[in-house]
Formats: sequence, C-alpha cells, structure tokens
Amino acid sequence: DIQMSQSPSSVSASVGDRVTITCRASQGINSWLAWYQQKPGKAPKLLIYGASSLQSGVPSRFSGSRSGTDFTLTISSLQPEDFATYYCQQANSFPYSFGQGTKVEIK
Amino acid sequence: QVQLQESGPGLVKPSETLSLTCTVSGGSMRTFYWSWIRQPPGKGLEWIGYIYYSGSTNYSPPLRSRVTMSVDTSKNQFSLKLSSVTAADTAVYFCARHGCSSPDCGTTFDYWGQGKLVTVSS
Repeated sequence: DIQMSQSPSSVSASVGDRVTITCRASQGINSWLAWYQQKPGKAPKLLIYGASSLQSGVPSRFSGSRSGTDFTLTISSLQPEDFATYYCQQANSFPYSFGQGTKVEIK
Repeated sequence: QVQLQESGPGLVKPSETLSLTCTVSGGSMRTFYWSWIRQPPGKGLEWIGYIYYSGSTNYSPPLRSRVTMSVDTSKNQFSLKLSSVTAADTAVYFCARHGCSSPDCGTTFDYWGQGKLVTVSS
C-alpha cells in the first residue's frame, strides 16, 4: 500500500503570507495526487487534481507542483477564508490513501 | 449541481451492523464511481471502498471482511453496510463521487455529502 506523509502537521501564518505544504508518497504515483481543503464540520473540498491542475471554481492563489514523489501545495497570499485543514490524497492506485493533514492556523 | 446526502442511524450498538445510504441529486449515477470515506473525530480521512454504477465494488483491505456496498440507480442511491462494529468505527461517514473538472484525474473525489456522524456505543 502507498503511504502519504504530509508536513508540517500545522502552520501558523498571517493574512497575505505565502504558505507551502508538502506531501511525500512512499512509492511512485506519477502525477496522480489531489489536494483538499476541509473546514470544521464540513466535507473536504477538492482544490487540485493531477498534482497541479486547479479544480473549477478554485481561486488561482492555490497551486500545486510535483518533484518525483514529493508534492507541494502553495497558497500564494493567504486569505481569511483559507484557514482550514489541508489533505493530500494519492489517486494512483488502490487502496486510495490520504495524508495526515496540515492545519493552517491564524498567527 | 450534483448533491449527495447521507442518511441512516446516528447510533449503533457494538457488534451490530452500521447501515448508511447516500442519495444523489442533480445528476445521474451512470458512468461514475462512488465512494465511502470516513473520519474519526479529530482525525484524518480513511477511504472505505467504492462501487461503480453497474454494481462492481472494491473495498479497502483492512475493512473488506466487514463491508458491503450496493447501488440502486433507479432511486439514485448507494449504500454502505459495516458489520460487527466497535467503538473504533465511530466516525463521520462521507459519501463522494469520483471525478474532477477534467476527463482524466485518477481516483479523485469532486462531490461530497455533508457527512453523517455515526457513534458506536451501547
């Protein structure tokens, strides 16, 4: 099974900051990686698929990239509505697995 | 706009069977895969399994012996049964559709239900 290691587990940031979250796959998953945003009491929301493609309706301040088995989610200028928990998910092979999550908190 | 809604008991006794239904509105179930995903309180997400609109299934190995999924496209519903539950099965259970805003995105989840908290307790 593919394990997804996400870091950091939490980050404190201010509005306007650039925030970067990393996810590492235990084996190759090509570019089959997705990023989700989850707010308390809500379902996850798809942000990025295929490692770097923006889901329809998602603001362009969100971006994703890949380097081998390392993946990065970047929020270029943090907005108040972006304080949430972010999860990566490998979309390559069964069983589909998620990272442990990164909580983005207000500094 | 596709919408999913989970329904079922919010309290299940230990050793009994958890049963949930997901109702899909605003779109057809045909040609899509549909998954169940759960999240224990304060913890991360765990994929449980998927069902294709035709009825074929695939379950996560740790849960395979206890999970059964079914689909009824005439009602636009799919269901989850998890048998022999324990306190470790207490979680918010989400149903989700496989897809994204592109024809090719692997197994990604684009539409989700709001989630149903199921507590296992006597």
